[in-house]
Amino acid sequence: GAVVSQHPSWVICKSGTSVKIECRSLDFQATTMFWYRQFPKQSLMLMATSNEGSKATYEQGVEKDKFLINHASLTLSTLTVTSAHPEDSSFYICSAINADNEQFFGPGTRLTVL
Amino acid sequence: AQSVTQPDIHITVSEGASLELRCNYSYGATPYLFWYVQSPGQGLQLLLKYFSGDTLVQGIKGFEAEFKRSQSSFNLRKPSVHWSDAAEYFCAVGSANQAGTALIFGKGTTLSVSS
Repeated sequence: GAVVSQHPSWVICKSGTSVKIECRSLDFQATTMFWYRQFPKQSLMLMATSNEGSKATYEQGVEKDKFLINHASLTLSTLTVTSAHPEDSSFYICSAINADNEQFFGPGTRLTVL
Repeated sequence: AQSVTQPDIHITVSEGASLELRCNYSYGATPYLFWYVQSPGQGLQLLLKYFSGDTLVQGIKGFEAEFKRSQSSFNLRKPSVHWSDAAEYFCAVGSANQAGTALIFGKGTTLSVSS
């Protein structure tokens, strides 16, 4: 089956620093990837839609200048949390859409901002 | 508004007993329905999905779900629960008319299994 990876799986950083999270589709090409955020004991909330070769589309309330998304190739999307603060601590999950419009989720990245 | 409701936040079931997790949805278009399971600190694993056809769908690990359009429900069932089934379960809905769209998730139901 299709595999989506995320790197790193967990990261701890100091407040004010930036963190980059990678989402890769390992065995298929994905023109569309999604970034979700999950707070503890909460559901997944869509943050943005990442389309290869174009600007990401952000959901209402998500700051595009804080959560920079780059979908530079058909197998890689990156999410950069800029000037991270403790309230950005969360579980970030990406998903990728294959040619059959099936959605596959990555294993998630745990971000802790101190 | 589009939404998914999982009425039960936490359910405890004895090992070997049957299980039903409830899911109701509100969606303007033809829904594409999913159940995912998440173990602590892990990503999502797809249990089953419904797009069209037979309203009773079979999934992995012995799970099944029944789509009831009249009730806007997609409840998950398992006849005999195993201790390894303890996890967080999420119901989600997407658009069947626009495949490949982002999903709307319910808040999840935590399943505990007692011995």
